[in-house]
Amino acid sequence: QVQLQESGPGLVKPSQTLSLTCTVSGGSISSGDYYWSWIRQHPGKGLEWLGYIYYSGSTYYSPSLKSRLIISRDTSKNQFSLRLSSVTAADTAVYYCGRVRNNVVDYWGQGTLVTVSS
Amino acid sequence: DIQMTQSPSTLSASVGDRVTITCRASQSIGSWLAWYQQKPGKAPKLLVYKASSLESGVPSRFSGSGSGTEFTLTITSLQPDDFATYYCQQYNTYLTFGGGTRVEIK
Repeated sequence: QVQLQESGPGLVKPSQTLSLTCTVSGGSISSGDYYWSWIRQHPGKGLEWLGYIYYSGSTYYSPSLKSRLIISRDTSKNQFSLRLSSVTAADTAVYYCGRVRNNVVDYWGQGTLVTVSS
Repeated sequence: DIQMTQSPSTLSASVGDRVTITCRASQSIGSWLAWYQQKPGKAPKLLVYKASSLESGVPSRFSGSGSGTEFTLTITSLQPDDFATYYCQQYNTYLTFGGGTRVEIK
């Protein structure tokens, strides 16, 4: 059974960089069958896809966040990470990591709330 | 960008009711549409992919249909566990989610 777990600071100051890590167990991020993705949900709102990374390291980002977002991976730790720069209050959200199978998210982490505030 | 519009935004129903949720795409997406269920404080759960394919383990009372720009998720006999928010997601071009439909107890 694949499990994903997000980790990282729950509070980030405006203009700083938000960094989160997703640790995957029960499956390898080096498998060519899946992408590994970040999705967020603003409080009380809908879901927003941020981007994903393939086993090869290729990345695909939402056009609206592409200039601020980097997704990377550490295959030795079976982890992938998100870095979102120049954050504002509008980046306050629950951040989910997920496994993407044929462009649908079939496994999700539990989510982690990140608040942007001074 | 492909926009996804769900209707209604809220739906009041009773146990045993047949429930239909609609999702419209701003341009044709073929059958590249998925449906998720989300309960408060939890991550979404995949129900349907490729418009009408049921994810393994999902009860058969859930079904999806449609193609092109108009899609529906139907729950044939609403159960207490089904009160939740439902999201559609297109994957014709990247991934975009609809705004959600909350199914509440009538």
